[in-house]
Amino acid sequence: QVQLVESGGGVVQPGGSLSLSCAASGFTFSTYGMHWVRQAPGKGLEWLTFIQYDGINKWYVDSVKGRFDVSRDNSRNTLHLQMDSLRAEDTAVYYCAKDRAKGNNGLDVWGPGTTVTVSS
Amino acid sequence: DIQMTQSPSSLSASLGDRVTITCRASQSISNYLNWYQQKPGKVPKLLIYAASSLQSGVPSRFSGSGSGTDFTLTISSLQPEDFATYYCQQVYSTPYTFGPGTKLEIK
Repeated sequence: QVQLVESGGGVVQPGGSLSLSCAASGFTFSTYGMHWVRQAPGKGLEWLTFIQYDGINKWYVDSVKGRFDVSRDNSRNTLHLQMDSLRAEDTAVYYCAKDRAKGNNGLDVWGPGTTVTVSS
Repeated sequence: DIQMTQSPSSLSASLGDRVTITCRASQSISNYLNWYQQKPGKVPKLLIYAASSLQSGVPSRFSGSGSGTDFTLTISSLQPEDFATYYCQQVYSTPYTFGPGTKLEIK
């Protein structure tokens, strides 16, 4: 079945770095755009970034631009999120999600999420 | 950036009620509007995409309408499993912003 599973979350000090991964299975990963979305404790959903199916184009929300980098390895069906210069406000559950198509569409499959805590 | 607002922020309703949630965009987004349901401790679930298209597997009591700046999600007859938080999201232009959510509670 179609599945996404995130990994790499944990506790990191402010200013530190963390790398998240999202393993995809059950669909042709290389033909779909992919997103990262986060949810701070008790808060709503925040869209972070989208990467096109071929990895060529990427878009970010301003709050993470220049600190986070999304990438994908279509040969390994894996999505990545490199997070640098982490701040306390980055504490959240991070979800990867599949676009229904190549973009401008619904996020139809979500992973269970991985928790990132930024604290000294 | 396009700002999304939702009303009401919370809503109490009874089983069998017809419920409507409104989402408004700060500028026209055509029909690039999605609706999600999230239950406590669970992953968001896509209900409606392109403003009015029902995602596969979603019960037909859910429907969406609207275009431009004003959109609605309607649940025709509330079931016990529908009590959750509902989010709209615009995918017209990045950043693909979500609304703040509407929490639907049992009356």
